[in-house]
Amino acid sequence: DIQMTQSPSSLSASVGDRVTITCRASQSISSYLNWYQQKPGKAPKLLIYAASSLQSGVPSRFSGSGSGTDFTLTISSLQPEDFATYYCQQSYSTQFTFGPGTKVDIK
Amino acid sequence: QLQLQESGPGLVKPSETLSLTCTVSGGSISSSSYYWGWIRQPPGKGLEWIGSIYYSGSTYYNPSLKSRVTISVDTSKNQFSLKLSSVTAADTAVYYCARDQIVVRWFDPWGQGTLVTVSS
Repeated sequence: DIQMTQSPSSLSASVGDRVTITCRASQSISSYLNWYQQKPGKAPKLLIYAASSLQSGVPSRFSGSGSGTDFTLTISSLQPEDFATYYCQQSYSTQFTFGPGTKVDIK
Repeated sequence: QLQLQESGPGLVKPSETLSLTCTVSGGSISSSSYYWGWIRQPPGKGLEWIGSIYYSGSTYYNPSLKSRVTISVDTSKNQFSLKLSSVTAADTAVYYCARDQIVVRWFDPWGQGTLVTVSS
């Protein structure tokens, strides 16, 4: 199966900061990479699909890029409601796998 | 607006079978554009995909759980269900159901999740 890694595992940032999270696949997954945001006690929410497409209703400060094995999620200007855990998910293989998550908290 | 809601026992004894149902409202489970999936999250840990089903009954399962998992669909009730047999404490988790888009295979929306504890 395809293994997903994320870095960093956690980060501290301030409101207004630009934040970048990296996701790496153990083999090429083309652009079959999705990003989710999860707040404590809540279900994950889809942010980005197919590596760079913004899900409807998601603020434009979120963006995704990459293809092959290396991907990034960028938050251009961190807002208070963005403090959460972010997960990547590969859908290249039908044995879907998620990354271990990146927790973004307040500095 | 499409909504999903998980239901089922919150406590299951070791070696027994965990059974959950996801009810879909605001849309048809028989849509040709979507699969329907189950994902779980042990307390304080990450997400694990369990499996997905198409309205026709076609299924995909996580290989690590395949021997214990059965996912079924009831289009007349707009529901799909999960059965996980021979459970242990390692199966304690919040179980989510979600819509699984057929082309890119993203999950959205998700149900609120239900905590299932395996304990005697």
